[in-house]
Amino acid sequence: GQQLNQSPQSMFIQEGEDVSMNCTSSSIFNTWLWYKQDPGEGPVLLIALYKAGELTSNGRLTAQFGITRKDSFLNISASIPSDVGIYFCAGPVYSGAGSYQLTFGKGTKLSVIP
Amino acid sequence: DTGVSQDPRHKITKRGQNVTFRCDPISEHNRLYWYRQTLGQGPEFLTYFQNEAQLEKSRLLSDRFSAERPKGSFSTLEIQRTEQGDSAMYLCASSLSRGRGGYGYTFGSGTRLTVV
Repeated sequence: GQQLNQSPQSMFIQEGEDVSMNCTSSSIFNTWLWYKQDPGEGPVLLIALYKAGELTSNGRLTAQFGITRKDSFLNISASIPSDVGIYFCAGPVYSGAGSYQLTFGKGTKLSVIP
Repeated sequence: DTGVSQDPRHKITKRGQNVTFRCDPISEHNRLYWYRQTLGQGPEFLTYFQNEAQLEKSRLLSDRFSAERPKGSFSTLEIQRTEQGDSAMYLCASSLSRGRGGYGYTFGSGTRLTVV
């Protein structure tokens, strides 16, 4: 099946620093999604990307859909303690009748040191 | 609307017991999904309903697992004869049938199952 590889697996940064993480796949995706998961909670959608080359921002978050459609990155600027969590990339895998399921990477765990 | 609700939030059970989880999706969402997440992994797809019809099942869903959505509203996921390997977070999500891939796909807070 289609697999998404995220790097780094984990990172420790100082509050105020910028963060960059990425996601790659051996297969093409038509949509890239970035989710954040807080401990004990379900993932929450941060950014959705629908077009190769697209660059989208959501506050301090910026994500890009790679030109090859096989990668995406997520940047967080000026990190704050509440950015702590696990960041997942995901892409839809389409099955019959127009339905899809999401396949997820293994996540990048972000820790912010105040 | 309070989003996707899952109950219970935590469940500890002895190996061999049966457990049942409930998911209440966002009321106007006709699609409902179950995912499983183990430690250090992303969520993995288990099964999907459109209204009351179960349209797709992952091979992760062994015959000890059964899911229902009897009236196209809430859903239940039952695990029979639980094994320690079933310990995981079970996530429910819902969406509308229209909308682009991933857009409007809302997760609940999950049920954390521990099999001892």
